[in-house]
Amino acid sequence: DIQMTQSPSSLSASVGDRVTITCRASQSISTYLNWYQQKPGKAPTLLIYAASNLQSGVPSRFSGSGSGTDFTLTISSLQPEDFATYHCQQSYSTPRTFGQGTKLEIK
Amino acid sequence: EVQVVESGGGLVQPGGSLRLSCVASGFTFSRYWMHWVRQAPGRGLVWVSQINTDGSSTNYADSVEGRFTISRDNAKNTLYLQMNSLGAEDTAVYYCARRVGEYNYGSYYYYMDVWGKGTTVTVSS
Repeated sequence: DIQMTQSPSSLSASVGDRVTITCRASQSISTYLNWYQQKPGKAPTLLIYAASNLQSGVPSRFSGSGSGTDFTLTISSLQPEDFATYHCQQSYSTPRTFGQGTKLEIK
Repeated sequence: EVQVVESGGGLVQPGGSLRLSCVASGFTFSRYWMHWVRQAPGRGLVWVSQINTDGSSTNYADSVEGRFTISRDNAKNTLYLQMNSLGAEDTAVYYCARRVGEYNYGSYYYYMDVWGKGTTVTVSS
């Protein structure tokens, strides 16, 4: 199974900050990497697929990059509604493993 | 509106069984692979199972293989998860999600684009 490791596990930041979250795969997954946002008590929603493709309706302040084993999710200027937990997930092989999540909190 | 709605969760004793359902609407259910994903309290997302469009191909996480069975009834637009021999480690919110594939650069890229609100399963005596 491919292990996905996110860092950091939690992060405190302020509105307007630029934030980067990292996801590392235990083996190369090309660009088969998706990012999801989850707010407390809610279902996850898709942000980015295939490492860098923004899902329709997602604000352009979100961006994704990377290939192989190392990936990043960047929020260029944090907005109040961005405080949530972010999950990466590989779609290279089954089982479709997720990272452990990164909780983004208000500083 | 495109949506999926889970049901069937509840409190069950260790060793017991439960069947979850996920009803799809607003899209042609029979054209999509579907997933089950779970989340234990305070923990991350864990992929559980997937099924292809006609139900002839299924996959499971090692942790549920042999105990859980995914199935679907395309005439009823419904996905199921039969869960047997439940243990405390199965306590979680269970989400169903639609799988979408997009063709880019010579390959299909798959992701889960529609998620339900989840149904809670608690295994406890």
